[in-house]
Amino acid sequence: TQLLEQSPQFLSIQEGENLTVYCNSSSVFSSLQWYRQEPGEGPVLLVTVVTGGEVKKLKRLTFQFGDARKDSSLHITAAQPGDTGLYLCAGVVGGTSYGKLTFGQGTILTVHP
Amino acid sequence: SAVISQKPSRDICQRGTSLTIQCQVDSQVTMMFWYRQQPGQSLTLIATANQGSEATYESGFVIDKFPISRPNLTFSTLTVSNMSPEDSSIYLCSAKGQGATEAFFGQGTRLTVV
Repeated sequence: TQLLEQSPQFLSIQEGENLTVYCNSSSVFSSLQWYRQEPGEGPVLLVTVVTGGEVKKLKRLTFQFGDARKDSSLHITAAQPGDTGLYLCAGVVGGTSYGKLTFGQGTILTVHP
Repeated sequence: SAVISQKPSRDICQRGTSLTIQCQVDSQVTMMFWYRQQPGQSLTLIATANQGSEATYESGFVIDKFPISRPNLTFSTLTVSNMSPEDSSIYLCSAKGQGATEAFFGQGTRLTVV
């Protein structure tokens, strides 16, 4: 059983479209991170959300943390080919931020010009 | 943030041999981890590298197959022993600072076993 369920696993869209990636769990997380990974590289941290209900924006990317701190979403507005990559959510279970990360299955996003 | 250097970046190895991957962090960090990843898929934690003591392995991973060293706060190695083609994967080093929520990653080592 996957602790963090990430969906969809694959997204293939045209440039300019919007998309949302979801990360859900039955467990409470002290924080959730979103990473983006390109081929041949390690994951790069995009954002950390720590407070239930928190919304963070990073240019065209909007991240939300659920009120109960069990789920999160990543919304991309007007996707660009440069957004193509593997998106991963990850978090530390429980009431402490100290510890190992649990990763979702990942979403492979392809944005066609 | 921390800059993590991992080497080699890729290697092709014969089955039955062993490969040691090195991970160097540019600052002292509390926790270091080793992950395995199939291309396009998520990360699977192999173990937590503990400074000066035996690593803590996740279910399905054992010390004989994946011995890990961490002699100080900035350096760790992972050895993939007695390799088989099933060990072909990307191996990633990761680090977290004290009290930090975020982890940082090396660029990975792409291993192919033939």
